[in-house]
Amino acid sequence: TQLLEQSPQFLSIQEGENLTVYCNSSSVFSSLQWYRQEPGEGPVLLVTVVTGGEVKKLKRLTFQFGDARKDSSLHITAAQPGDTGLYLCAGVTGGYQKVTFGIGTKLQVIP
Amino acid sequence: SAVISQKPSRDICQRGTSLTIQCQVDSQVTMMFWYRQQPGQSLTLIATANQGSEATYESGFVIDKFPISRPNLTFSTLTVSNMSPEDSSIYLCSVVTGGGSYEQYFGPGTRLTVT
Repeated sequence: TQLLEQSPQFLSIQEGENLTVYCNSSSVFSSLQWYRQEPGEGPVLLVTVVTGGEVKKLKRLTFQFGDARKDSSLHITAAQPGDTGLYLCAGVTGGYQKVTFGIGTKLQVIP
Repeated sequence: SAVISQKPSRDICQRGTSLTIQCQVDSQVTMMFWYRQQPGQSLTLIATANQGSEATYESGFVIDKFPISRPNLTFSTLTVSNMSPEDSSIYLCSVVTGGGSYEQYFGPGTRLTVT
């Protein structure tokens, strides 16, 4: 069974602070995805990283895929209240036949 | 991309009854999935809804409990049968559109509470 561990599970910070969320596994993934989910909504895909060591930036969000394609991180710079939500990582394997989700990191950014 | 709607958005049901959840997509898609999201647990795949054939269920999920229909490429239903409080959860429909990066799009979910 492939498991994706996310840490921390809960994070409450002040507006303007930086934060990093981690997604770790003992398994190798073809690609890794990050989603954000707001209450009452389904998860929304933020980014897909495919190559080991790859770094992608989406405005104030920086995503990195580990060199061995087993882990990933999401860094948010100068967090804003609009960043509040549940951040999910998902590992893709088997030629897109298997997607494993982490438990999520619940982020609250306080104005 | 794909726009997905689900009905109902939420429901409160009594144990022993069944609820059918509908998922409608704004375009034809080959791959459609049903997930369960329970508090404190990761998003769990229930089954892949196959058009014109039986759904493919993941370990721990069976057709008698979660019958699925997929009459065409834009619509699917998931029924939660003989419900118990343990079935209280958010149920999500998702699709994968074409392309090589396996991008999933999710519906808004159906929040089910079983009393």
